[in-house]
Amino acid sequence: GQQLNQSPQSMFIQEGEDVSMNCTSSSIFNTWLWYKQDPGEGPVLLIALYKAGELTSNGRLTAQFGITRKDSFLNISASIPSDVGIYFCAGPYTGNQFYFGTGTSLTVIP
Amino acid sequence: NAGVTQTPKFQVLKTGQSMTLQCAQDMNHEYMSWYRQDPGMGLRLIHYSVGAGITDQGEVPNGYNVSRSTTEDFPLRLLSAAPSQTSVYFCASSDLQGTWEQFFGPGTRLTVL
Repeated sequence: GQQLNQSPQSMFIQEGEDVSMNCTSSSIFNTWLWYKQDPGEGPVLLIALYKAGELTSNGRLTAQFGITRKDSFLNISASIPSDVGIYFCAGPYTGNQFYFGTGTSLTVIP
Repeated sequence: NAGVTQTPKFQVLKTGQSMTLQCAQDMNHEYMSWYRQDPGMGLRLIHYSVGAGITDQGEVPNGYNVSRSTTEDFPLRLLSAAPSQTSVYFCASSDLQGTWEQFFGPGTRLTVL
């Protein structure tokens, strides 16, 4: 299967700091999605990207579709305690098979 | 709208037992899928379906069966549970019209002893 590697694996930051994380693949993806998972819940979609080079924002979140189509980036500005959770990149590959990254765990210290 | 519902929330099985995890959605989505989530490994696709009567294997299908007799329901069957199937299972659904926004259920935490 496809391997989507996310880094960093975990982050501990102070409230108010900005956060950057990325996701890389050995294969080309035509869609990149970023999900957030709160403890004990299913993932929820944050941002969807459909074109190489695309930059899309959702409030304090900004994501970019890498030019090579093998990577994507997520930034969170001015972090707040409710940003705590696990962030996953994901995408459909070979039609309807969907792959998730390994996740970045974010802890925000008030 | 209930969205995606899963039952049970928790289950403990003994090795060799069989069981069915239930998943239902009320959004008339064509696409439904099952994932398992293990620590440090993200979510891995077990099986998926693009419509009633159509199912296909994902990345980790061994030991699991699915069927899709209606648009709403997509049960996952464990035929003979093994400790390696201890995991959290998520069901998800989406339409097939482009956004790939998958709506997830609350998950089933399964322990196989």
